[in-house]
Amino acid sequence: DIQMTQSPSFLSASVGDRVTINCKASQNINRYLNWYQQKLGEAPKLLIYNANSLQTGIPSRFSGSGSGTDFTLTISSLQPEDVATYFCLQHNSWYTFGAGTKLELK
Amino acid sequence: EVQLQESGPGLVKPSQSLSLTCSVTGYSITSNYWGWIRKFPGNKMEWMGYISYSGSTSYNPSLKSRISITRDTSKNQFFLQLNSVTTEDTATYYCARRNVDWYFDFWGPGTMVTVSS
Repeated sequence: DIQMTQSPSFLSASVGDRVTINCKASQNINRYLNWYQQKLGEAPKLLIYNANSLQTGIPSRFSGSGSGTDFTLTISSLQPEDVATYFCLQHNSWYTFGAGTKLELK
Repeated sequence: EVQLQESGPGLVKPSQSLSLTCSVTGYSITSNYWGWIRKFPGNKMEWMGYISYSGSTSYNPSLKSRISITRDTSKNQFFLQLNSVTTEDTATYYCARRNVDWYFDFWGPGTMVTVSS
């Protein structure tokens, strides 16, 4: 089974900061990596699919990069509405998830 | 837009069956694939399985002996049944659409299920 290691688990940042969240796969997953945002009590929302493709309707301050085993989600300028938990999902071989990153405002 | 909503009992006794419904609006379940995912206390997430547009199913091997996913196309609903539950099945259960590119793009908000006597 493919394991996904996500870091950090918790992140505190200020409005306007550049924020990065990482996921590392235990083996090559090509570019089959998605990023989701989940706000408290809401459905997870797809932000980035296939490592770097922005889902329709998602603000351009969100971006994704990486391939193989190492992936990054970047928020270029943090906004108050970005407070949420973010998690990654690999879909190269069935599905496994990162443990999530809780993002809060400093 | 596709919307999904989970429903079902919030409390199930050990050894009994857990049964959940996912109601879909804005899209027919006779297209694409429709799955269940759960998040345990502590935030570990697990893909459980999905049912296809034709009614065929795929399950996580770790659950294969206990899980069944079925559907009612007339109501645009699909269902999860998990048998012989234990306290380790306590989780928030999500339904989601799996698209033709093999990933989950639309999710429900989730429903919390506690297994306890």
